[in-house]
Amino acid sequence: GDSVTQMEGPVTLSEEAFLTINCTYTATGYPSLFWYVQYPGEGLQLLLKATKADDKGSNKGFEATYRKETTSFHLEKGSVQVSDSAVYFCALSGRNSGNTPLVFGKGTRLSVIA
Amino acid sequence: GAVVSQHPSRVICKSGTSVKIECRSLDFQATTMFWYRQFPKQSLMLMATSNEGSKATYEQGVEKDKFLINHASLTLSTLTVTSAHPEDSSFYICSANQASGGSQFFGPGTRLTVL
Repeated sequence: GDSVTQMEGPVTLSEEAFLTINCTYTATGYPSLFWYVQYPGEGLQLLLKATKADDKGSNKGFEATYRKETTSFHLEKGSVQVSDSAVYFCALSGRNSGNTPLVFGKGTRLSVIA
Repeated sequence: GAVVSQHPSRVICKSGTSVKIECRSLDFQATTMFWYRQFPKQSLMLMATSNEGSKATYEQGVEKDKFLINHASLTLSTLTVTSAHPEDSSFYICSANQASGGSQFFGPGTRLTVL
């Protein structure tokens, strides 16, 4: 079945450092790919998404490019802030997440220190 | 963006009791809602798909008689954990599919602790 693998955490960075969280997937067909963020004590929020190969999703300085050839959707940010500390989940959906559930990676906890 | 609420946010109950968790889409109609379970430091695992006006579809290994799901309207789905046991302690999260836009929005989660 479909699956998502993302790098193990926790990841600890200093403020303004470059962030990469790796995510690879296994899926049949052409899934949509997502990054969700979960701040402490809160629910999941959609950070960005891409629905087809070579699409780049971006939001709040974060970006990820849908790479079909490497089945990857790595999350990057050029300069992290303390407020970016959260758990980040990579996820996929078999379609454009209309009526299909999401398959999640295990999550990567990011801590940014001042 | 669209808002999904869950109630309660936190519940502690005794073993053997039943607990009802509500998931509401506040500003849109949701034809489909999903219930996930998240264990500490682990990912979200899909439990069931809840469709308005029809029976829920449960994932393999999820007991439908233990986790009762009712999707009574386009804005409300409920998950009832019956005869709860300590191993049911977990973080339960719902998501709602916005019928027109196709995106999923997540509730803030309900932390259940069974003593």
